[in-house]
Amino acid sequence: GAVVSQHPSWVICKSGTSVKIECRSLDFQATTMFWYRQFPKQSLMLMATSNEGSKATYEQGVEKDKFLINHASLTLSTLTVTSAHPEDSSFYICSALGVTGEYFGPGTRLLVL
Amino acid sequence: AQTVTQSQPEMSVQEAETVTLSCTYDTSESDYYLFWYKQPPSRQMILVIRQEAYKQQNATENRFSVNFQKAAKSFSLKISDSQLGDAAMYFCAYRSPGGADGLTFGKGTHLIIQP
Repeated sequence: GAVVSQHPSWVICKSGTSVKIECRSLDFQATTMFWYRQFPKQSLMLMATSNEGSKATYEQGVEKDKFLINHASLTLSTLTVTSAHPEDSSFYICSALGVTGEYFGPGTRLLVL
Repeated sequence: AQTVTQSQPEMSVQEAETVTLSCTYDTSESDYYLFWYKQPPSRQMILVIRQEAYKQQNATENRFSVNFQKAAKSFSLKISDSQLGDAAMYFCAYRSPGGADGLTFGKGTHLIIQP
């Protein structure tokens, strides 16, 4: 079956630093990947749509300069949280859209101190 | 904008019994996709079942089935013969026509299975 990986699985960083999260489709190509955020005991909220070779599309209320997305290849999208602050602490989940459906990564837990 | 509503924050069912999770949605589109996802404590999202709006027949996957009422914009999930491994958060989700947009999720229902 289709597999999506994320790296790292968890990260702790100091306030003001930047953190990069990778999302890879391991056995299929994905022209479209999505980034979601999930706060504790809440649902997933779509942050942005990442399209290979073009600029990402951000949902209303998501700061594009804070959450930089790069989809440089058909198997890799990255999310960089710039100048992270404690309120950015969350669970970030990516998914990749393949021919047979959308497949989710295992998520990345970010804690900003 | 589309919205998805799950009105049951928590449901409890005895093992081997049947439970139904509710979901309603709002959209002006005539064609779209609906999903139920399971999120266990590992937080890995697992697709349970999907339904295309243009299909009148309700989707079924083993012990999982849906009751899709398009006019009422209702999409409930029935789990038969509940098992301990079914315990998880269940999210109802909507995708716009075309299939290339991200998902809109409901707030989720925490399903507890009592042995």
